[in-house]
Amino acid sequence: EPEVTQTPSHQVTQMGQEVILRCVPISNHLYFYWYRQILGQKVEFLVSFYNNEISEKSEIFDDQFSVERPDGSNFTLKIRSTKLEDSAMYFCASSAQGDYGYTFGSGTRLTVV
Amino acid sequence: SQQGEEDPQALSIQEGENATMNCSYKTSINNLQWYRQNSGRGLVHLILIRSNEREKHSGRLRVTLDTSKKSSSLLITASRAADTASYFCATDAFSDDKIIFGKGTRLHILP
Repeated sequence: EPEVTQTPSHQVTQMGQEVILRCVPISNHLYFYWYRQILGQKVEFLVSFYNNEISEKSEIFDDQFSVERPDGSNFTLKIRSTKLEDSAMYFCASSAQGDYGYTFGSGTRLTVV
Repeated sequence: SQQGEEDPQALSIQEGENATMNCSYKTSINNLQWYRQNSGRGLVHLILIRSNEREKHSGRLRVTLDTSKKSSSLLITASRAADTASYFCATDAFSDDKIIFGKGTRLHILP
């Protein structure tokens, strides 16, 4: 069964450093998403991406965040200057169509120290 | 906010019993989805029900949707230890390009 692949599975970074979280969505999917889950809390929407541009973003997705699909297969989330409160599990998802079920990756656990 | 809210927050039942989880939401939706998350793992899509559907089945799962009450329920029949997980409903509004998750129900199946 096709999978969404995320790397790395764990990332520890110093406060103020830049991080790039990587995702390989399912190859024939057109819609891509990033969500995050702070430990013990609910899953929060960050951004949706379609046709090589952001289609929607949340209040969390401020100027410190950016997304890119550099080569037609990878989908990346960059945090420019990490804060302690960015520590969370970050999930990438893709969907064949916007109103179909999403396939989520296993997540990247980001710890900012 | 269209956010779904599940209840109960936590549920413990004996293996073999049926588990019912409920979800309520606030705004009109295009569809409602249920996901499972095992501890520390990713989210697994279970089932999607569209706003013009009232009931849907998938194996031991049964989902109902009542748009007049803005609520949905997920029934897991003949529960197994492997069903122990958190279950989330997620709603997709017509004008949005995202799904919004509720806080989830933690289900624990007792041996």
